[in-house]
Amino acid sequence: DTEVTQTPKHLVMGMTNKKSLKCEQHMGHRAMYWYKQKAKKPPELMFVYSYEKLSINESVPSRFSPECPNSSLLNLHLHALQPEDSALYLCASSQVQSYEQYFGPGTRLTVT
Amino acid sequence: QKEVEQDPGPLSVPEGAIVSLNCTYSNSAFQYFMWYRQYSRKGPELLMYTYSSGNKEDGRFTAQVDKSSKYISLFIRDSQPSDSATYLCAMGPVEGAQKLVFGQGTRLTINP
Repeated sequence: DTEVTQTPKHLVMGMTNKKSLKCEQHMGHRAMYWYKQKAKKPPELMFVYSYEKLSINESVPSRFSPECPNSSLLNLHLHALQPEDSALYLCASSQVQSYEQYFGPGTRLTVT
Repeated sequence: QKEVEQDPGPLSVPEGAIVSLNCTYSNSAFQYFMWYRQYSRKGPELLMYTYSSGNKEDGRFTAQVDKSSKYISLFIRDSQPSDSATYLCAMGPVEGAQKLVFGQGTRLTINP
């Protein structure tokens, strides 16, 4: 069983909607990540939080807005998305000095 | 040339066979090497984690790292239909940051 949980499992949203993806980890990790994964492609890093502070933003469009309210939670706020943003959004966590990243099950997002 | 090369397959083998999955890389700064298993429509699951060169064994899985050849392998012994998945290699650090580079993933099918 994964110790990184993500909600919702599936999300369908229109291009004018605002929605949020949520991630929670119970492993005591202080680094958390958002990835985007398209079909038959590897995960693509979007954001990294380290000690609840944004440490890496991979030039992601501003329609994606991350938030880390505490050491266990990570949100991704979505606004005015495009159909090409449809993908599996994955959250991961790790110890800050470690490369062992543990992934959640993902949220499958469809933008109509 | 990509930083990490992984044959996307698909690879199909009979149940009970030994499976060999491989990645090559070009960045000599990579020190940490991971193998992830990803079932369809699920998040990647960390299978093996290796630091620097050498072998690591966990049950039916063996990970090998040859830094002199910039080549890593994952062996699966006594393969089972439940091993059918996409296998992703990942490695870091990237530019000294807490980021991973993923291979393209190899789709593996174990036939009963």
